[in-house]
Formats: sequence, C-alpha cells, structure tokens
Amino acid sequence: GENVEQHPSTLSVQEGDSAVIKCTYSDSASNYFPWYKQELGKRPQLIIDIRSNVGEKKDQRIAVTLNKTAKHFSLHITETQPEDSAVYFCAASTGSNYKLTFGKGTLLTVNP
Amino acid sequence: DGGITQSPKYLFRKEGQNVTLSCEQNLNHDAMYWYRQDPGQGLRLIYYSQIVNDFQKGDIAEGYSVSREKKESFPLTVTSAQKNPTAFYLCASSIELASWEGYTFGSGTRLTVV
Repeated sequence: GENVEQHPSTLSVQEGDSAVIKCTYSDSASNYFPWYKQELGKRPQLIIDIRSNVGEKKDQRIAVTLNKTAKHFSLHITETQPEDSAVYFCAASTGSNYKLTFGKGTLLTVNP
Repeated sequence: DGGITQSPKYLFRKEGQNVTLSCEQNLNHDAMYWYRQDPGQGLRLIYYSQIVNDFQKGDIAEGYSVSREKKESFPLTVTSAQKNPTAFYLCASSIELASWEGYTFGSGTRLTVV
C-alpha cells in the first residue's frame, strides 16, 4: 500500500520567516495530495491540495509544489505568523479508493 | 458543527470494557472513515465504509469493530481486545466524485483507559 514520509517532525521559525515541509510518497499511482492543519485539540482542516496534473498551486501565503518524477511534494508558508503554529499533515491518495494515507505530521512553531 | 458530529468529546474506559464512539454526518456523504491519532504517529486508518452495509478494514483494525446500517452513521466500538486504546479518535466523511477533495473531519473523541 501507499506509504507517506514527512519531514521535519518539528520546525521552529521566527515570525515573518518562511517554512517548508516536505513529503514523499511510494505509490506512483497517487494523484491527489492534500495538506491539513490541526490546531491543538481540534479537527484537521484542509488548507490546500494539489492534483498530479499540476506542478504548483498557491493560495495567498501558502503554496504546494509537486514533483511526480521524484514522488515528493512540499508545503511552503511565507511570512509566517504566530497563528500558523499548528501540526501540519500531508496525505496522498490514488483517488480510485477515496482513501487518504497520511504522513506523521510536522509541529510548526512560529515565534513572535 | 461542520456537518459531522462525534460524541462524546471525552470518554473513559475501564479495563475489559467495550465502548462505542458515535459519528453522525448530515452532508449526504457516501464514505465514512475512522482514524486513530497518537502523538508522533500521524493518523492511522482503522475502518472505512464506502456504502451502507459494507465496510473495510484499515491498517490497524484489530480490537475494533464498526457498523454502517445508515448512510448518516458510522459508530466505532473499541473492544476489550484492543490492548492500548488510549488515543484521539477522528471520524471523517467524503463524497466520492471524480473531483474528489478529501475528507471532512469530525471534532474527535479522546478516549482514556482508567
């Protein structure tokens, strides 16, 4: 089955800096890659996603890039703010079974 | 509460007891899922169901059971066979379309063995 590796497990940045979280996946048939943000004790919320027919997608301060050849995708957050502090999960799916496999998460801390 | 409701928010289980976690959705979603979340382990799939009266085991199904008698409901029972049940349990649902957009999550149930 699919395996998703996520790095780093923790990331600490200063407010205003950029943050990058990287994921690799094993199943070349995977074609849908969402990112979720989970604040402490809350439910995960979808923040951005990308499909395999696109190499990059942006939404304000957040962007995701996908390299299908290398089977990795990354989340980029620019101009970080304290409210960006949370656990971020990447995930992958082939789409055919409507099932997500998640990475282990990255705890992002943005220091004021 | 986002269309998918989990209850209770906190649950305490004694050794040897079975407990049932509730998950209800009013989104008319076909598929429902149960994940377990442990610190540093990410989200691991327990069971999922893509249609009423049918469900499939996920990666860590041992010690758990589910039912899907109604489209709106997908309860999870944590049995006494689950040796380490203390965790945060998340229910999710999704609609199965060609333009699939992943899950909507419930707010979770924190289960503690006492």
